[in-house]
Amino acid sequence: AQSVTQLDSHVSVSEGTPVLLRCNYSSSYSPSLFWYVQHPNKGLQLLLKYTSAATLVKGINGFEAEFKKSETSFHLTKPSAHMSDAAEYFCVVSVDYQLIWGAGTKLIIKP
Amino acid sequence: DARVTQTPRHKVTEMGQEVTMRCQPILGHNTVFWYRQTMMQGLELLAYFRNRAPLDDSGMPKDRFSAEMPDATLATLKIQPSEPRDSAVYFCASGRSGADTQYFGPGTRLTVL
Repeated sequence: AQSVTQLDSHVSVSEGTPVLLRCNYSSSYSPSLFWYVQHPNKGLQLLLKYTSAATLVKGINGFEAEFKKSETSFHLTKPSAHMSDAAEYFCVVSVDYQLIWGAGTKLIIKP
Repeated sequence: DARVTQTPRHKVTEMGQEVTMRCQPILGHNTVFWYRQTMMQGLELLAYFRNRAPLDDSGMPKDRFSAEMPDATLATLKIQPSEPRDSAVYFCASGRSGADTQYFGPGTRLTVL
C-alpha cells in the first residue's frame, strides 16, 4: 500500500536560515511525488512534482526536493527562509488518480 | 492564468438547510475532484469525476451528499440536509486524465450552525 509520512508536524527556523521539511513514502512502484503548500486560510498550491525525469526537482519560490529511492525520501529544502514561507506543507504521493496526503508540516519563520 | 474557481467562498447556514457549492474547473481539464478539509481529519477525497462521469464517490456520505457535473464547466456538491459536523473547507481540484497533477480552487468555507 502507498503511504506518506511527514516526519515533523512543526518546523521552526529563523528568517534567512535553511529550511528542511522531511517526507518518507512507501510505494510498490516508482511513484509520482508532490509537495503542495497551503498558506493560512488559502487554497493548496503546487510547489513541485517528481516524475522520474530528474531526482532533484526545482519548484516555485526557491524550493527544491530530492528524490532518494534508496531512502524512500522526498525531502523539501530551501537555502534561505523568508517570512512569506510561513505555511503548511504537504507531501503527496499519487496512486492512479488518487493523491495520498501526508499529515502536513507547519513551517514557522522566526524574525 | 487559468485557475479553478469556487463559489461561494464562505457559507454560513443553519442545520437542516440545503447547501450547494459550485466549481468551475480549468478549461480543458477533464477530471474533477471534491475534497473536504478539517482540523481533525485533514484532507479527505469525497468524489472524483472523469469526463463528467462519477468514478469514485466512496468517500462521500451517501445519505446527504451528492455530486454532479451538469456540464464540462461546472461541478456541484450538494448537502441536504446539512449538519454541524459538515462544517469544513471544501476544495475542488481539476486535472487532465493521464496526468496526475491536480490544481486546487480556493475552497468554500462552510459553517453549519
